[in-house]
Amino acid sequence: EPEVTQTPSHQVTQMGQEVILRCVPISNHLYFYWYRQILGQKVEFLVSFYNNEISEKSEIFDDQFSVERPDGSNFTLKIRSTKLEDSAMYFCASRTGTGAWQGGYTFGSGTRLTVV
Amino acid sequence: QKEVEQNSGPLSVPEGAIASLNCTYSDRGSQSFFWYRQYSGKSPELIMSIYSNGDKEDGRFTAQLNKASQYVSLLIRDSQPSDSATYLCAVNRNNDMRFGAGTRLTVKP
Repeated sequence: EPEVTQTPSHQVTQMGQEVILRCVPISNHLYFYWYRQILGQKVEFLVSFYNNEISEKSEIFDDQFSVERPDGSNFTLKIRSTKLEDSAMYFCASRTGTGAWQGGYTFGSGTRLTVV
Repeated sequence: QKEVEQNSGPLSVPEGAIASLNCTYSDRGSQSFFWYRQYSGKSPELIMSIYSNGDKEDGRFTAQLNKASQYVSLLIRDSQPSDSATYLCAVNRNNDMRFGAGTRLTVKP
């Protein structure tokens, strides 16, 4: 069964450093997403991406965050200057279809980001 | 503001019983509705999707949607200990899916 692949599974970084989280969505999927989940809290929407541009973003997704699809297969989330409160599990997801009725999202296994 | 509300639980049921999970949402423009299961430390796993008012059954799972009441529910029949997890309700409008905080279900042998 096709999978969404995320790397690394765990990243530790110093406060103020830049991090890039990587995802390989399912190959025929058109929509890509980043979510985060702070330990013990809900899964929070960050951003959606379609046709090489951001289609929706949440209030969490401020100027410190950016996304990119650099080569047609990878989908990355960059955090420019990490803060302690960025420590969370970050999930990438993807789906196919052009409407809200085209099925749920497939999630990757996540990257646990720890900012120290 | 888009909000998805769930009882946080924990909900505890004996093995073989029916577990009933509920969710309400605030955005009347929501178009599609999902139930995900999340085991501790793992990613959400899709178990049901529903788009129209009424019931949708898939094996031991039944999702119910009432758009007038802005209410979605999930019934799990013949609950098994392996069903013990956090169940997340998710609501999608256009390209923006939001999750509730989840209901923790424990099925006791």
